[in-house]
Amino acid sequence: DAGVTQSPTHLIKTRGQQVTLRCSPKSGHDTVSWYQQALGQGPQFIFQYYEEEERQRGNFPDRFSGHQFPNYSSELNVNALLLGDSALYLCASSLVYGHSQFFGPGTRLTVL
Amino acid sequence: EDQVTQSPEALRLQEGESSSLNCSYTVSGLRGLFWYRQDPGKGPEFLFTLYSAGEEKEKERLKATLTKKESFLHITAPKPEDSATYLCAVQAVETSGSRLTFGEGTQLTVNP
Repeated sequence: DAGVTQSPTHLIKTRGQQVTLRCSPKSGHDTVSWYQQALGQGPQFIFQYYEEEERQRGNFPDRFSGHQFPNYSSELNVNALLLGDSALYLCASSLVYGHSQFFGPGTRLTVL
Repeated sequence: EDQVTQSPEALRLQEGESSSLNCSYTVSGLRGLFWYRQDPGKGPEFLFTLYSAGEEKEKERLKATLTKKESFLHITAPKPEDSATYLCAVQAVETSGSRLTFGEGTQLTVNP
């Protein structure tokens, strides 16, 4: 039973560029949430997708956008990258209205 | 606004020296409180979900408890492999979505 997978593992971009991160949920899960984790801090909620729609959003600017596909996989897009966007980006999957979220290994984004 | 505060920020123990980590929370209505373990550079690993005051859950050397205002993660006779950052998160009862609000974590080091 495959857990949550994310790609790529690491990514280096320069300021102003755009990036796309990908996530495949745990088998049987239909809800995907994205979190940003700065070094030494707890994860911060970005948004959550269910039935291909954004259901909930945290306090992040519109530069952060996402998508969910019919097979429940998801993408996180960040435009006009800033140095402060450097972080570990985590994807978590769950059953809608289920309580337990399971995390992937994360994508380490470095913005130079 | 939901808030989670974890203490201490860092804890050093000798192998076999039992201790407890604290998670204080403020939430409008608690759907669940979650404990995760996170190793450096990796995604959080799910440990426990607690739903109501008085509930307790155990897994190997770990035991989580919940009151109306805080949760404790008790570590009995820890081993060096228990060294990690332990994250606490709350999920509120909301009409849509199931975001997690995390604390900053407690970094645990167990020396042999």
